[in-house]
Amino acid sequence: NAGVTQTPKFQVLKTGQSMTLQCAQDMNHNSMYWYRQDPGMGLRLIYYSASEGTTDKGEVPNGYNVSRLNKREFSLRLESAAPSQTSVYFCASSATVEGQPQHFGDGTRLSIL
Amino acid sequence: AQKVTQAQTEISVVEKEDVTLDCVYETRDTTYYLFWYKQPPSGELVFLIRRNSFDEQNEISGRYSWNFQKSTSSFNFTITASQVVDSAVYFCAPLYGGSQGNLIFGKGTKLSVKP
Repeated sequence: NAGVTQTPKFQVLKTGQSMTLQCAQDMNHNSMYWYRQDPGMGLRLIYYSASEGTTDKGEVPNGYNVSRLNKREFSLRLESAAPSQTSVYFCASSATVEGQPQHFGDGTRLSIL
Repeated sequence: AQKVTQAQTEISVVEKEDVTLDCVYETRDTTYYLFWYKQPPSGELVFLIRRNSFDEQNEISGRYSWNFQKSTSSFNFTITASQVVDSAVYFCAPLYGGSQGNLIFGKGTKLSVKP
């Protein structure tokens, strides 16, 4: 079982470039999430989608946009990348928002020069 | 503010020692959930346990055990007879706010188990 699949695994961008991180899950989960993890920190929520057709801001949404393309896919877009967005990005999914464990992808390591 | 504190930044033990990772949370919610995740050096996040606020029973799973003390807002994690493969960063993550809530990750405790 694939679980949560993120692409790409690594990416280097120049300041001002744009890119989209892709995430897909095959567990028929309703809820999906995007987090960032900076050195020595826990994960911080960027955006989440409680169910298909809805998206909500998390703790650190500035500089990002998301699209819940369908039940399986949830993408994260950086419109104009900045060095402060250098981080490891994790996508996760869960059956519901309330009380269910989130299952994580392997992460995307993004460097912005 | 609702938050979580993992006071131990790094712990180093020798194989076969027992080790306890502390987690203290703050919330005004009466219903909430508590999770622990493991992040090994390879970087992925692995779900370990989920506990809801109404279930104060301690839980044991093999060498892992969890002590939930609602009176002190703590949800500590003990590894018995640690092994090198237990080396990882461990995150405590409460979930507050019901259907509108989300996980709040602590900063993690890095556990190093030496042979």
